[in-house]
Amino acid sequence: EDKVVQSPLSLVVHEGDTVTLNCSYEVTNFRSLLWYKQEKKAPTFLFMLTSSGIEKKSGRLSSILDKKELFSILNITATQTGDSAVYLCAGPLYGGATNKLIFGTGTLLAVQP
Amino acid sequence: NAGVTQTPKFRVLKTGQSMTLLCAQDMNHEYMYWYRQDPGMGLRLIHYSVGEGTTAKGEVPDGYNVSRLKKQNFLLGLESAAPSQTSVYFCASCHRGMYNEQFFGPGTRLTVL
Repeated sequence: EDKVVQSPLSLVVHEGDTVTLNCSYEVTNFRSLLWYKQEKKAPTFLFMLTSSGIEKKSGRLSSILDKKELFSILNITATQTGDSAVYLCAGPLYGGATNKLIFGTGTLLAVQP
Repeated sequence: NAGVTQTPKFRVLKTGQSMTLLCAQDMNHEYMYWYRQDPGMGLRLIHYSVGEGTTAKGEVPDGYNVSRLKKQNFLLGLESAAPSQTSVYFCASCHRGMYNEQFFGPGTRLTVL
């Protein structure tokens, strides 16, 4: 059965801290893994990872994929209160030909001033 | 560009009533999806469409019907609402192909009493 598991479920940090969010997956015919950020409404796209060991970076956010261990991490450095959100990890189902996604339950990040 | 829009934003129904949620996208995307999001459950796929006139079932299709008469619109119907359908509903769309991220609408919060 395909599944995506995220940890921790929730996290509280102070501004300036660095956080690491985890995503493990078991997806048939794996092709890619996606990270989204959700702040009270629509999830917004962060990264798509398709190759092992290649870090993707956007400002203070970065992510990397380990295809052998079926694992991805999302790092946020120098956190700000605006980083408070639910972070979702997802993988395409059944090889992704129809681009259907299976989501993890998310990690709720709260950044305190 | 408006992106992905959903109407209505909020709705309260009584058990047994019916309603239709409308999703519209102006990005000429071929694929469209309906998800529901419940606490602790993440996003779960209800139905999806890979083109005008075609629909298919996702993970949790029972109690819902969909139609895609026009490429830009994807309708989700509840024929006889039940309290278990209380949820936040998200529509998403993307271009055809395996490596295209999905764009999400702002969501519809539905309460069934």
